[in-house]
Amino acid sequence: GAVVSQHPSRVICKSGTSVKIECRSLDFQATTMFWYRQFPKQSLMLMATSNEGSKATYEQGVEKDKFLINHASLTLSTLTVTSAHPEDSSFYICSARFAGSNQPQHFGDGTRLSIL
Amino acid sequence: QKEVEQNSGPLSVPEGAIASLNCTYSDRGSQSFFWYRQYSGKSPELIMFIYSNGDKEDGRFTAQLNKASQYVSLLIRDSQPSDSATYLCAARGGGADGLTFGKGTHLIIQP
Repeated sequence: GAVVSQHPSRVICKSGTSVKIECRSLDFQATTMFWYRQFPKQSLMLMATSNEGSKATYEQGVEKDKFLINHASLTLSTLTVTSAHPEDSSFYICSARFAGSNQPQHFGDGTRLSIL
Repeated sequence: QKEVEQNSGPLSVPEGAIASLNCTYSDRGSQSFFWYRQYSGKSPELIMFIYSNGDKEDGRFTAQLNKASQYVSLLIRDSQPSDSATYLCAARGGGADGLTFGKGTHLIIQP
């Protein structure tokens, strides 16, 4: 069964709106979660690493003030796309990893964000 | 710049045959390697992971790793039409690094 839950699965909203996406680890604690973005026919690109109780680590080129990440508990990380614009339309996917350096990441079902 | 390279395909394989998917990576510091399957419009699903040189088998799937050649492969035996999907190869460095993904290989299993 699913080990990572992501919500909502789809968002359609007007330009300028802020959108919050939730990522929950089910039945395990995840001190680290990851946020990826996937544009059509492209691969997944890591946006940021979410660390419980501390600031997220952003990849080069990802605006931390635009993509706000909060990892307030061991089972929940949120990504807020602030003042979203059409170019932010994409498939956003979170992942979490069991403890252990070689453990794989398990992905949520993703959130398809469409900004009109 | 960490890179993971895959042939985008499509790779067409007859049902029941062996599908062979290949991947190379640029970062010699990469320690763990993952194969994910992604259906159109869906999120990736873990197939296998490997971190030691050699072969690792799980059911119809075999992952192979050659760190000297910086090469990872996935073999799918007795291919089924339901195996048709995009297969993503990913690499991870040491620690809690996120994954670097290849662009994926589109696999088509012909009935």
